[in-house]
Amino acid sequence: AQKVTQAQTEISVVEKEDVTLDCVYETRDTTYYLFWYKQPPSGELVFLIRRNSFDEQNEISGRYSWNFQKSTSSFNFTITASQVVDSAVYFCALVNAGGTSYGKLTFGQGTILTVHP
Amino acid sequence: EAGVAQSPRYKIIEKRQSVAFWCNPISGHATLYWYQQILGQGPKLLIQFQNNGVVDDSQLPKDRFSAERLKGVDSTLKIQPAKLEDSAVYLCASSFHSGGAYEQYFGPGTRLTVT
Repeated sequence: AQKVTQAQTEISVVEKEDVTLDCVYETRDTTYYLFWYKQPPSGELVFLIRRNSFDEQNEISGRYSWNFQKSTSSFNFTITASQVVDSAVYFCALVNAGGTSYGKLTFGQGTILTVHP
Repeated sequence: EAGVAQSPRYKIIEKRQSVAFWCNPISGHATLYWYQQILGQGPKLLIQFQNNGVVDDSQLPKDRFSAERLKGVDSTLKIQPAKLEDSAVYLCASSFHSGGAYEQYFGPGTRLTVT
């Protein structure tokens, strides 16, 4: 069985603050993919990043960065200099590469991020 | 490139009524998914199609939910009869192929309220 835990239900910050969203996962598979999605108030899930289990390099994309640590089964997401437009629900998700879970995304509960002006 | 289309966007029905949702995936995407997202939770996979065949429907309540993808393109999800606990957003997603190497693109969802 696989599981994704996002311990922070809600985070509130003031614009320009840095914020980190935590994600911890459980899986028995050795090959898997991790994702982050953003869900703005419009409701559509927007893909942010995919990382496979063999690539532990951290990634930076503009104000976004991701820290993947296999040793602690964590895949954390940091927004630098947050903006009001970053306000959304953020989901961490996991897919196993094979077996009966092939392609099936398991989502965490989501973290509601509110950025105040 | 057009995204995943869903209709209707909103639906309100009474319990025990039936309802159907429609999804048109991104052109060329072989895999189509239906997710249920209850308020305050992450989406949960209901059913996954590869072309017009079912890959995974282990979490689909088959006594009341059904889905089809007859021509391997668009899909419909039906609930009959609806229960109060079916109130949720129903998200359709598609990907080029099955597997984690292919990101899933989501539609805007259908918000269902059962009264």
